[in-house]
Amino acid sequence: DAKTTQPPSMDCAEGRAANLPCNHSTISGNEYVYWYRQIHSQGPQYIIHGLKNNETNEMASLIITEDRKSSTLILPHATLRDTAVYYCIVRVSRNTGANSKLTFGKGITLSVRP
Amino acid sequence: NAGVTQTPKFQVLKTGQSMTLQCAQDMNHEYMSWYRQDPGMGLRLIHYSVGAGITDQGEVPNGYNVSRSTTEDFPLRLLSAAPSQTSVYFCASSYSPTGDQPQHFGDGTRLSIL
Repeated sequence: DAKTTQPPSMDCAEGRAANLPCNHSTISGNEYVYWYRQIHSQGPQYIIHGLKNNETNEMASLIITEDRKSSTLILPHATLRDTAVYYCIVRVSRNTGANSKLTFGKGITLSVRP
Repeated sequence: NAGVTQTPKFQVLKTGQSMTLQCAQDMNHEYMSWYRQDPGMGLRLIHYSVGAGITDQGEVPNGYNVSRSTTEDFPLRLLSAAPSQTSVYFCASSYSPTGDQPQHFGDGTRLSIL
């Protein structure tokens, strides 16, 4: 799986949009971009994923650049409960069982301030 | 929505004791897996299963056993607990191991071995 690079931390004001960047310059054509987050003492939570097109769900939007070398996770109206470590991961589309393991890097710590 | 349920949430064991960490999912997912999370080590895959009756080893299988008699349940057994197995254990599930299917995690079992 391709490696991802994220800044170590960022903060944003409550109620504002949080834009979390991720670089994946070595991504292959058959690799998906995934975002998970982990709130302290809880299990990793799936947020969103995409291959080429931008995606939106009830939690967030995922913007993937046309060359697919980077992406941005957007939380449209951040709340205090969104304070967490956010992980950007790329995964090959056709995995065997062992290769399907998720590899979490250090992630980006998002702090939402009141 | 129950999703992935792990029990117990906390457990303290003495060295040499045995125990079973329970994992159940109600999403009819074929793929299930166990990870352990240690500070500075990220998530490491212990065992996984691609369906009832089929299990295989991940990165760090030593000291752990698994079985998959039903689609819903994937218990993790520690036969003789060791202090090195002190960790947070997460169970995850998805429709399949392929990269286009998100894995969903439970809230974890925090295990301390004295």
